[in-house]
Amino acid sequence: EVQLVESGGGLVKPGGSLRLSCAASGFTFSSYSMNWVRQAPGKGLEWVSSISSSSSYIYYADSVKGRFTISRDNAKNSLYLQMNSLRAEDTAVYYCASDIYWGQGTLVTVSS
Amino acid sequence: QLVLTQSPSASASLGASVKLTCTLSSGHSSYAIAWHQQQPEKGPRYLMKLNSDGSHSKGDGIPDRFSGSSSGAERYLTISSLQSEDEADYYCQTWGTGTNWVFGGGTKLTVL
Repeated sequence: EVQLVESGGGLVKPGGSLRLSCAASGFTFSSYSMNWVRQAPGKGLEWVSSISSSSSYIYYADSVKGRFTISRDNAKNSLYLQMNSLRAEDTAVYYCASDIYWGQGTLVTVSS
Repeated sequence: QLVLTQSPSASASLGASVKLTCTLSSGHSSYAIAWHQQQPEKGPRYLMKLNSDGSHSKGDGIPDRFSGSSSGAERYLTISSLQSEDEADYYCQTWGTGTNWVFGGGTKLTVL
């Protein structure tokens, strides 16, 4: 069974940092590009960042460029998102996703 | 600019059929898209990838009641024999420059 399990969410103050992780199992993780997608409360889906299978290509949404860093460890079947200089508008459920698989999400709340 | 446009809401009766539309912006009518379903309080689920010629590849376990078709810049998701569990938000998504994702605003489907 394919599983993507996010962790690392929580409450953080504006300007703070958080590192999200996504543990993959049940498929050949190293063969897939991976993405982070977020959903603010009551809003639609917003793509955040993507990384190619070998980490050669990395892309960010303008809204997070310079503040967020995506990475992966294929040996550990894991995807990461380092989030710095967090803002209230970063409050959202963060999902990791391949083209065809989604995790269940982890909630990040940025508030003082 | 690559934009996907979806109607905010749709409704249909239990057991009936409904056709949801996703429209690609001008100059992008050859793009493939993906459809994702998000049931209330759940993470998204990949339904299918839909090509400009109407061919599509569905995700694991997606019932035959879900089908896709294309016409010009429009991409359709048809759900037949509607069931209560089909009440959900439906998002179309495509791939922009590099591997960044672009989402439509989503359609909230109500099953009457």
